[in-house]
Amino acid sequence: KAGVTQTPRYLIKTRGQQVTLSCSPISGHRSVSWYQQTPGQGLQFLFEYFSETQRNKGNFPGRFSGRQFSNSRSEMNVSTLELGDSALYLCASSREGGTSQPQHFGDGTRLSIL
Amino acid sequence: GESVGLHLPTLSVQEGDNSIINCAYSNSASDYFIWYKQESGKGPQFIIDIRSNMDKRQGQRVTVLLNKTVKHLSLQIAATQPGDSAVYFCAENAGGTSYGKLTFGQGTILTVHP
Repeated sequence: KAGVTQTPRYLIKTRGQQVTLSCSPISGHRSVSWYQQTPGQGLQFLFEYFSETQRNKGNFPGRFSGRQFSNSRSEMNVSTLELGDSALYLCASSREGGTSQPQHFGDGTRLSIL
Repeated sequence: GESVGLHLPTLSVQEGDNSIINCAYSNSASDYFIWYKQESGKGPQFIIDIRSNMDKRQGQRVTVLLNKTVKHLSLQIAATQPGDSAVYFCAENAGGTSYGKLTFGQGTILTVHP
């Protein structure tokens, strides 16, 4: 069974631009969560989607947004990029996003802002 | 609470030793816990999970212990191997409406010497 797939693996952008990252969950998984990982803040929750609806959101500015499609694939978008947005962005999927279900992660998209 | 990874704790062991990695969690309402292993350039990999109605769970070469009284979680790795070298994270879910939201600890760097 294929794991969580994230594309692209690496991205370089400049300040002020916007970026879209993609995530394909494990087949049969309907919940997708997004996390940001930085050396200073560690792993922080961005948001979670289930059945095309955002059910949960972390403490990030509105520049960070996402969506989920009917096939459970998800995208996240960051607008007006700032230097501090440089990070590894991780996507995780689980069957239904239940509070006692394990999440399985992709290998992330490394975003660098110049 | 939010992860505050800065200077990660480190654990250095010899191949064949048993390793114990500790984690203090912050939310007394958390009722589900996961241990992840993250190798360089990869996303977190699921190791083992435990629900709050249990105090011990065993997997292959790994055991997780949960002490809810002092809000402490530990991961024991038996017969540690060089391939176990990685950063280990504990993560918690607060239950209720925390769909798809994991709060991560800061991580511990495990180094196994041959």
